[in-house]
Amino acid sequence: QKEVEQNSGPLSVPEGAIASLNCTYSDRGSQSFFWYRQYSGKSPELIMSIYSNGDKEDGRFTAQLNKASQYVSLLIRDSQPSDSATYLCAVNMRRSGNTPLVFGKGTRLSVIA
Amino acid sequence: DAGVIQSPRHEVTEMGQEVTLRCKPISGHNSLFWYRQTMMRGLELLIYFNNNVPIDDSGMPEDRFSAKMPNASFSTLKIQPSEPRDSAVYFCASSFGQLTNYGYTFGSGTRLTVV
Repeated sequence: QKEVEQNSGPLSVPEGAIASLNCTYSDRGSQSFFWYRQYSGKSPELIMSIYSNGDKEDGRFTAQLNKASQYVSLLIRDSQPSDSATYLCAVNMRRSGNTPLVFGKGTRLSVIA
Repeated sequence: DAGVIQSPRHEVTEMGQEVTLRCKPISGHNSLFWYRQTMMRGLELLIYFNNNVPIDDSGMPEDRFSAKMPNASFSTLKIQPSEPRDSAVYFCASSFGQLTNYGYTFGSGTRLTVV
């Protein structure tokens, strides 16, 4: 099993719709979870972090965490064409103490105007 | 703050040549990470430093790769000799603290092409 898994997409949604991006991880002891956005040819940019079960909202973005199911998701409400990018899920594994973030390969989102 | 600064932005070199990538982390950040990104493998951690000390270099693919951090404001990643399969985007990232609770800030990356 891969450590951090994401559907590669592309995920296509119409402008104004809700985009739902999903991520699963293998290490049950993981404590910190992050979503990065990466535009084509650019570097990853941190957009959300979540550490506790439940939802965390920031503007149009909502991160959801379910540690029992080892599942993290990102919802983007009122999707805009400018949201079209690759979204990377990153997890802090705790196999042996603190370890650097492990990234999924990302889900490519396309918002159609 | 100018963010994490990487140079060069693009590097094209011939197989067998030495390549040196440079990184200046954000002032005050004490952890520095080198990642490599390819379409096939995504973002892979190569090595990371905490307080200028290499902590884990298990991601470095071969002895051809080496990294140094002589002080808190500068790090290099060297490939010698370079091979076509080293072609990728190399990112440097920094953070405050090793616990990664705050996420990382990435530099703009160096796109390396080995021909």
